[in-house]
Amino acid sequence: DIQMTQSPSSLSASVGDRVTITCRASQSISTYLHWYQQKPGKAPKLLIYGASSLQSGVPSRFSGSGSGTDFTLTISSLQPEDFATYYCQQSYNTRCSFGQGTKLEIK
Amino acid sequence: QVQLVESGGGVVQPGGSLRLSCAASGFALRSYAMHWVRQGPGKGLEWVAVISYDGSMKYYADSVKGRFTVSRDNSQNTLYLQMNTLRTEDTAVYYCARHRGGQLEVNYYYDYWGQGTLVTVSS
Repeated sequence: DIQMTQSPSSLSASVGDRVTITCRASQSISTYLHWYQQKPGKAPKLLIYGASSLQSGVPSRFSGSGSGTDFTLTISSLQPEDFATYYCQQSYNTRCSFGQGTKLEIK
Repeated sequence: QVQLVESGGGVVQPGGSLRLSCAASGFALRSYAMHWVRQGPGKGLEWVAVISYDGSMKYYADSVKGRFTVSRDNSQNTLYLQMNTLRTEDTAVYYCARHRGGQLEVNYYYDYWGQGTLVTVSS
């Protein structure tokens, strides 16, 4: 099984800050890496697919990069609505797996 | 607009059974593979199962294999998850999610999710 490890597990930041979340895979997964945002009591929302492609309707302040085992999600200028939990997902094989999540909180 | 609406959750005793449904609207369910993903209380996301667009291929997480069965009725635009021999560790919100990507087995992601239905396994 492919293990996905996100860091940090939690993060405090202020509106306007630039934030980077990291996701590391236990083996190479090419660019089969996707990012989701989840707010309390809501379903996850797709942000980035294929490591760096922005999902339609997602603000351009979100960006993704990486390949192989190391990936990043960057929010260029935090907005109040961005405080949420973020998950990475690998789909290198049929049984996908998710990172444990990064909770982004207001400082 | 695309909508996925889960139902069928509830409280069940260990060893019991439950069937979840996911009603799709706003798109042709028959054209998409579909997944079930769950989230335990205060926990992260766990993939549960996938079914191909026509129901001919199904895959399961090891944690549910032999106990859960995914199926679909494209004529009714509905996805199902039959859950048998439930355990306390199956307690979670269950989401159905639409498969996007070129292949069933690789490089896929979820562009739409339902709101989830809560399953609680407790005596």
